[in-house]
Amino acid sequence: EPEVTQTPSHQVTQMGQEVILRCVPISNHLYFYWYRQILGQKVEFLVSFYNNEISEKSEIFDDQFSVERPDGSNFTLKIRSTKLEDSAMYFCASSEQASGRASTGELFFGEGSRLTVL
Amino acid sequence: DQQVKQNSPSLSVQEGRISILNCDYTNSMFDYFLWYKKYPAEGPTFLISISSIKDKNEDGRFTVFLNKSAKHLSLHIVPSQPGDSAVYFCAASVALGKLIFGQGTTLQVKP
Repeated sequence: EPEVTQTPSHQVTQMGQEVILRCVPISNHLYFYWYRQILGQKVEFLVSFYNNEISEKSEIFDDQFSVERPDGSNFTLKIRSTKLEDSAMYFCASSEQASGRASTGELFFGEGSRLTVL
Repeated sequence: DQQVKQNSPSLSVQEGRISILNCDYTNSMFDYFLWYKKYPAEGPTFLISISSIKDKNEDGRFTVFLNKSAKHLSLHIVPSQPGDSAVYFCAASVALGKLIFGQGTTLQVKP
């Protein structure tokens, strides 16, 4: 069964360092997303990406964050200068269609990349 | 952001009985509602969804009910199995894959 894969599974970094989290979405999916879950809190939407551009982003997704689809298979999240509060589990997701009345709205999530900022 | 709320942090049910997980929402613009299941160290896994124009959707042991007037949805699992033990997240769709998640309810099904 096709799945979303994420690397690394766990990354420890020093505050102020740049981090890149990588994702390989399901191959025929067109919509890509990043979510995060801070320990003990809700899963939160960060950004959605379609047709090589950001479709929507949350207020969390400030100038320190960027996303890129550098080739036909990878989808990356870059945090330019990490802060302590960026420590979280970051989930990549993909979907065949955008959510809405024409689809189930189902997103397929990867297993997550745990980021620890010291 | 309290647009989607799951007021019960945990639920314990005997194997074979019904599990009912509840979710409330505030935004009447949500067009789809979804339930995800999450095991430790894994990503959320889609279970079942319902369009805002329906009031019930069933898939095997899982049924989701939507009461729009009360802004309430529930997930029924019957019969419950020990393998159903996980964290269940209610989520609502507002636009282009942006899901608003609830806090989650930890379900424990006892053998």
